[in-house]
Formats: sequence, C-alpha cells, structure tokens
Amino acid sequence: QSALTQPPSASGSPGQSVTIFCTGTSSDVGGYNFVSWYQQHPGKAPKLMIYEVSKRPSGVPDRFSGSKSGNTASLTVSGLQAEDEADYYCSSYAGSNNFVFGTGTKVTVL
Amino acid sequence: QVQLVQSGAEVKKPGASVKVSCKASGYTFTSLYMHWVRQAPGQGLEWMGIINPGGGTTTYTQKFQGRLTVTRDTSTSTVYMELSSLKSDDTAVYYCARQYNSPGNLDSWGQGTLVSVSS
Repeated sequence: QSALTQPPSASGSPGQSVTIFCTGTSSDVGGYNFVSWYQQHPGKAPKLMIYEVSKRPSGVPDRFSGSKSGNTASLTVSGLQAEDEADYYCSSYAGSNNFVFGTGTKVTVL
Repeated sequence: QVQLVQSGAEVKKPGASVKVSCKASGYTFTSLYMHWVRQAPGQGLEWMGIINPGGGTTTYTQKFQGRLTVTRDTSTSTVYMELSSLKSDDTAVYYCARQYNSPGNLDSWGQGTLVSVSS
C-alpha cells in the first residue's frame, strides 16, 4: 500500500485560505468516503480535524473543511491563523481493515 | 474523559523485540477498534495495524507482516504492540489511537512512545 501523495509544503498569510490536496487511487481515496485529516504540531500527537471526507469533530473550528473528487481529497483552511501552522496528514481507508496515510504537508503562516 | 496512556521510552539493540502498551480509560474498551501508527524522526505518519479489542482480531499492513503482533487484555483495558527483529530504521515514536465509529476516525491518541534502536 503506497502512501497517499500530498505536497510537501503550503503557505498563506493570516486571514487567507490554503488548500491541501491528497491524491490516492480508486482502492483507497476514490473507493471509500472514509478520508480523515490530522493536524500535528511539533512534538505533539496528531489531532483529528476532519473525518468521513467533510465532517468536523466537536471543537474543530469551521474554518477547516474537507471535500473529495475522484481519487483526490482536499483540506481547506480558511481565515488562516498563526496557530494553524503545523503539519497536516490525510488518511484513507483502503479496504479489508487496511488504512494509509498521506506523505504530509507543512503549512506555514507567513 | 477518554485517555490513552502509553508506556515509556525504550532503547533496544538490533534484532531485539519491543513491547509497547496503551492503557485506555473513559469509555467501553471492547467497543472501539485501536490502531497503531508510527513516526520516524522527521518523517510522516505510517499506519501499522489495527485490533478489535472485543474479539481480538487484528489486521497488519503488509510491511510488518511476521514482525508485528498486536494483542489486548480486556481485564486491564490495555492494548499491546510488539515489534520483533528490530532494525535501526524502526527507531520512531509509536502511537496508539482509538477509532471512533467510522473507519479511520482516530479521535483520541496516546502520547506516543519513543523506541530507539541502536547498537
């Protein structure tokens, strides 16, 4: 199972939006609506930001949104804030209780 | 509240095995799957495997087949991850994470356990 493909980096100024793409295959991202997104600050455990493609857990700001088209999922962070600077990882179900993570994207707030 | 508390850091020699524990509290342990994920220094997240604490069934990613064993003790609400035949590139932080309801919805994570493999 190969890792899902994410851009290594993305950036935006405070208040702007940034979108991160996560590309897989029809065996993972394209085959199931079970894409999740995680935020990870240095030295910390990952935090769930989006699940089932576009659902936000309680407590996650509505500035975070997710979507999917075909084999590519995306995470958009609107109204960027300094605390959004972190690494972001997508993850997808790949069938038969298998899962795969993305390669990760470092988001910088300029 | 939900808590996943992992065992402490380990230092192992190549060829040895390591067993990391993850003690769950604040919910019904047998109702929700538990995942293991690792992160090598400066690298991304890597999915390792999953256990159903209710029945004990497991699935491992092909990369770790034969080296990874995930078990659970329902009497103590603890999941264990044992990795054998350790190599230097197994040096990583190992996380347990609870799956809440839908596949891949990892809503609670342990604090991570650093496993260092060095001769």
